[in-house]
Amino acid sequence: GQNIDQPTEMTATEGAIVQINCTYQTSGFNGLFWYQQHAGEAPTFLSYNVLDGLEEKGRFSSFLSRSKGYSYLLLKELQMKDSASYLCAMAEDSNYQLIWGAGTKLIIKP
Amino acid sequence: DAGVTQSPTHLIKTRGQQVTLRCSPISGHKSVSWYQQVLGQGPQFIFQYYEKEERGRGNFPDRFSARQFPNYSSELNVNALLLGDSALYLCASSLDGGWTGNTIYFGEGSWLTVV
Repeated sequence: GQNIDQPTEMTATEGAIVQINCTYQTSGFNGLFWYQQHAGEAPTFLSYNVLDGLEEKGRFSSFLSRSKGYSYLLLKELQMKDSASYLCAMAEDSNYQLIWGAGTKLIIKP
Repeated sequence: DAGVTQSPTHLIKTRGQQVTLRCSPISGHKSVSWYQQVLGQGPQFIFQYYEKEERGRGNFPDRFSARQFPNYSSELNVNALLLGDSALYLCASSLDGGWTGNTIYFGEGSWLTVV
């Protein structure tokens, strides 16, 4: 079957670094997305990984290990505006839907 | 360029009523997907349409239906509303709905409250 897991909530300090993990199980993997969602708003695209390795985009980086069914989102130089939920979602070969995790609520403290 | 637009943004309906939600994808995008997001959970896939054809359907009852028009806009209809249908309904736009590394863009969503 298909399954995707991420922590429910994390807390970090402004200016620090935080890593949000995501593990998944699927029979036909075709990529892993990360989205940011502020309360009351729609998800905003952050990154897409389909090959193993690290993708860096400014303060945000995303890593994928297909053999381990594992991804993480790394946020550097945290700002208060980074307080949001971060959702990972996997794409499968056999259909055209994204399978979403429940999201990790990130709380940034001064 | 306009992003993905959805309407209405907020609405309140009574149990048993019907609702129609609308979505216009990004210009040039031919695929529209619909997702339901209940508070505190990740989105759940409802439908994907590509070139006016249904290409995928999630685990939702027949009360949920959708269609895509020649201009690639889409409507999601929900009949016989239940309290549990209260959620954020998201429309996602992409070039072809496939997984070739193209990104998927979401509209701001339609907040549906059923009372």
